[in-house]
Amino acid sequence: NAGVTQTPKFRVLKTGQSMTLLCAQDMNHEYMYWYRQDPGMGLRLIHYSVGEGTTAKGEVPDGYNVSRLKKQNFLLGLESAAPSQTSVYFCASSKQDSPFTDTQYFGPGTRLTVL
Amino acid sequence: KQEVTQIPAALSVPEGENLVLNCSFTDSAIYNLQWFRQDPGKGLTSLLLIQSSQREQTSGRLNASLDKSSGRSTLYIAASQPGDSATYLCAVSRDYKLSFGAGTTVTVRA
Repeated sequence: NAGVTQTPKFRVLKTGQSMTLLCAQDMNHEYMYWYRQDPGMGLRLIHYSVGEGTTAKGEVPDGYNVSRLKKQNFLLGLESAAPSQTSVYFCASSKQDSPFTDTQYFGPGTRLTVL
Repeated sequence: KQEVTQIPAALSVPEGENLVLNCSFTDSAIYNLQWFRQDPGKGLTSLLLIQSSQREQTSGRLNASLDKSSGRSTLYIAASQPGDSATYLCAVSRDYKLSFGAGTTVTVRA
């Protein structure tokens, strides 16, 4: 049981390049999330998905797109990378228990640098 | 918009001392409050979850309290150890989405 995995772990891009970050979970969770973490700031929600085939915008969605074609995978895309997107990206999933007890399980993160 | 604040941003204590970490939030309409631990270069690990109707939760040396009406939570770590050195983040939950504080980075000196 690997939990939540993220690919790749590190990446360096040039401004204007595109890339896709892959998140996979083997816990059969309904909900999946993408966050970014910047120095001195808490994690901020980029996009999330409440089930296969659905996506929704979070707090900071501009410049990112997502897809959830399979329940276990959640992809985050950057179409034209900008230096402001240099960050650590975390994926998470949750079972969708009662909202009072539901918690999220996090992947190890992807460190992205845009030059 | 929910704002979550953690004070202090960093804390250094000698081994054996008790740790007190604070979290405040602006909107009391939450389902739960969670404390996470983050080690350098790693993801987040859930430590404690306090439901909105609860006042506190305990797990081993960790105890977290919640005062929803005043928008505050405190995480106590008893008899700190060097292995407790990490960043601790609090997050409040509403509609299955979390709002995070920036974290408190703790160093426990041997």
